[in-house]
Amino acid sequence: DAEITQSPRHKITETGRQVTLACHQTWNHNNMFWYRQDLGHGLRLIHYSYGVQDTNKGEVSDGYSVSRSNTEDLPLTLESAASSQTSVYFCASSGVSTGEQFFGPGTRLTVL
Amino acid sequence: DAKTTQPTSMDCAEGRAANLPCNHSTISGNEYVYWYRQIHSQGPQYIIHGLKNNETNEMASLIITEDRKSSTLILPHATLRDTAVYYCIVLRADSWGKLQFGAGTQVVVTP
Repeated sequence: DAEITQSPRHKITETGRQVTLACHQTWNHNNMFWYRQDLGHGLRLIHYSYGVQDTNKGEVSDGYSVSRSNTEDLPLTLESAASSQTSVYFCASSGVSTGEQFFGPGTRLTVL
Repeated sequence: DAKTTQPTSMDCAEGRAANLPCNHSTISGNEYVYWYRQIHSQGPQYIIHGLKNNETNEMASLIITEDRKSSTLILPHATLRDTAVYYCIVLRADSWGKLQFGAGTQVVVTP
């Protein structure tokens, strides 16, 4: 069955370190998204991609970057982790022209 | 994009229908109504969407008023596994990627 996976599921890192969160989908979807979820803020869009080599900034993109070199993967990089980036991160994918997104299980990131 | 208003929380008895309201009075003609839910600690899950007509699938029914200013998600026979936060989202047809999640409605299904 097609699926979307995220790794690691849990990560603890230190302030200033570079961190990369992986997202892999086997739906062959063109569209992929990264969200963060914090108490009191709900889910907020970080970056998204509508296809290979395409990336776009979302609502809260500062301090994050993504790259899309193939259809299946959209890794999220925190260039220099900050305590304010402690959060739960969700990756999602969708087909063309639909708001039906399939979400991964999430990665809980703690920045100390 | 149109904003949505949902009750903060609601309770429902197991086996009964759960009717979740959503107000979107500023919705425009090219905006769809989407519903997602998020069970604790899991990623959000798509439920259903609609434009004008009522919709039904294996999970739920969506009733949209004729003026499209509000809608109701109906879970016909709520189970304990339906306990979750339910999000009503208005989405423009040319902005498919930009789901904006609000606070949603915390639904608790009790035995």
